[in-house]
Amino acid sequence: KNQVEQSPQSLIILEGKNCTLQCNYTVSPFSNLRWYKQDTGRGPVSLTIMTFSENTKSNGRYTATLDADTKQSSLHITASQLSDSASYICVVSKGNMLTFGGGTRLMVKP
Amino acid sequence: NAGVMQNPRHLVRRRGQEARLRCSPMKGHSHVYWYRQLPEEGLKFMVYLQKENIIDESGMPKERFSAEFPKEGPSILRIQQVVRGDSAAYFCASSPRRGDQETQYFGPGTRLLVL
Repeated sequence: KNQVEQSPQSLIILEGKNCTLQCNYTVSPFSNLRWYKQDTGRGPVSLTIMTFSENTKSNGRYTATLDADTKQSSLHITASQLSDSASYICVVSKGNMLTFGGGTRLMVKP
Repeated sequence: NAGVMQNPRHLVRRRGQEARLRCSPMKGHSHVYWYRQLPEEGLKFMVYLQKENIIDESGMPKERFSAEFPKEGPSILRIQQVVRGDSAAYFCASSPRRGDQETQYFGPGTRLLVL
């Protein structure tokens, strides 16, 4: 069983709508939790990074939350744009070791 | 400041040949990480290197795979006698120093196809 599970696997939304992506993890203890955006054919790009003591972190239209008690994180995207179409990857780190979730493929349609 | 560079971007090899993947970290970064992404799967850690040293290779297969990060030049991931199962995207990331809060910056990846 993967130590970082993401849901849904894929999601289609209309431009302008909001959406929330989920991440459940079992890695414990952990140093921090990151969300990356990976465009097709490109490397992942960091969106947010939170330590285990932080509850929320925002980066523009992206807001990540973390509940260390339930070992859950979410990434909320506000007012989606076509350029948000990508895979969103939840990554839990323990020291320098990163454990990646399988990602959620988001497609934003006009 | 150029980002992490990887080359080639695409590599085709026949079974049994060798594949050499190169990664130039961002300027000022001395820590390099290699990851493999199989089709439809998440990235998996392979190896972590500092200049001239392998720090953690726990994710790298013991056979046929090796990595180096010489004092001068790029980091190299070498796969000998490739098999079809080696077909994947190989990503390199770099960070300026070791630390839990350090963001790893990823390169564009090398897509290896083994025929």
